[in-house]
Amino acid sequence: DAMVIQNPRYQVTQFGKPVTLSCSQTLNHNVMYWYQQKSSQAPKLLFHYYDKDFNNEADTPDNFQSRRPNTSFCFLDIRSPGLGDAAMYLCATSYTSSYNEQFFGPGTRLTVL
Amino acid sequence: AQRVTQPEKLLSVFKGAPVELKCNYSYSGSPELFWYVQYSRQRLQLLLRHISRESIKGFTADLNKGETSFHLKKPFAQEEDSAMYYCALSGHNYGQNFVFGPGTRLSVLP
Repeated sequence: DAMVIQNPRYQVTQFGKPVTLSCSQTLNHNVMYWYQQKSSQAPKLLFHYYDKDFNNEADTPDNFQSRRPNTSFCFLDIRSPGLGDAAMYLCATSYTSSYNEQFFGPGTRLTVL
Repeated sequence: AQRVTQPEKLLSVFKGAPVELKCNYSYSGSPELFWYVQYSRQRLQLLLRHISRESIKGFTADLNKGETSFHLKKPFAQEEDSAMYYCALSGHNYGQNFVFGPGTRLSVLP
């Protein structure tokens, strides 16, 4: 089945220790998104890639970076995680634009000790 | 700036009762509106979008541009409808933000 896969499902890191979350897709969609979802809150868009074109949301902290080496893979790098970065991180894909359906991965739950 | 509001954090109804989940938005232009749903232990998924004008799982939503609303309705709620529902908005131009509302948890009681 075509799908969006996120690894790992659970990630524990230490305060200030860099961490990378990964997302892969078999849908061949050209847009990939990263969202942060804190407990009892809505997902918040951090950034998205349209093919290789990176689009950062205005209020996304510099601590968050992303890489997309090819169509299938996208990575979220948190350079110096703080306690406030503990959250569920969701990856999603869509064809062409966010006004088409987005397909979500299961998420990676990040714990910062 | 675009914004989506959902006034109810939690909505409880009895099985068989009608349900309406409210959504209002602010956007300068003609947005695309969506309802996404997250069932327990499942990933977030699209329920319906206004441009499709279809009914999914008995749910419908009508875009009211005058009232800037996109309320989700179902005439007879089922227990399996219990989930978290997010209203969402996207602009039509590439690069425009996509934003979720805060969500409403629907609980359908037996």
